[in-house]
Amino acid sequence: EDQVTQSPEALRLQEGESSSLNCSYTVSGLRGLFWYRQDPGKGPEFLFTLYSAGEEKEKERLKATLTKKESFLHITAPKPEDSATYLCAVQAGTGANNLFFGTGTRLTVIP
Amino acid sequence: ETGVTQTPRHLVMGMTNKKSLKCEQHLGHNAMYWYKQSAKKPLELMFVYNFKEQTENNSVPSRFSPECPNSSHLFLHLHTLQPEDSALYLCASSQDFRNTIYFGEGSWLTVV
Repeated sequence: EDQVTQSPEALRLQEGESSSLNCSYTVSGLRGLFWYRQDPGKGPEFLFTLYSAGEEKEKERLKATLTKKESFLHITAPKPEDSATYLCAVQAGTGANNLFFGTGTRLTVIP
Repeated sequence: ETGVTQTPRHLVMGMTNKKSLKCEQHLGHNAMYWYKQSAKKPLELMFVYNFKEQTENNSVPSRFSPECPNSSHLFLHLHTLQPEDSALYLCASSQDFRNTIYFGEGSWLTVV
């Protein structure tokens, strides 16, 4: 069964305290892994797509990496405005119902 | 501004009401989606349209009725809902099924 698990469920960091969020997956035929940021009361905002093991993408204080079983979202020297829920989604197969989401990690960065 | 616009942003309706959610995308995409987001659950895919033809109905109760008049517009018609249908309803679009999905801001629905 295709499955996506994100950990931790919630994470509190001091401003400037770097850390990583994890997304592990068990799917057959990975086509892509997506990271989204979601602010309270809003829709998910696209951050990155990773397609193959070893690939890395960066945007400001965020860096996403991918292995054959998991992806990490590294947050370097976070700021309070980085507080949000981060969602991971895995695309498997070519049909319409091919995107499997995790339940997210709720990040709080304390000033 | 994500290129996917949803209205209304908030909706409160009684169990006997009929209402509709509207979605419009300005990205030139061919596929459009309705997702349901409830607390502590993964996003649930409800319906998918490709070139305005429905390609997926993920065992959604008939009290939810989608409509896609063209590739840029998507509606979700709601009638005789239950309190457990209260959730954030997200519209999304993508160029096709292989590409990134972009979401709207969502419509918060409360059924009383």
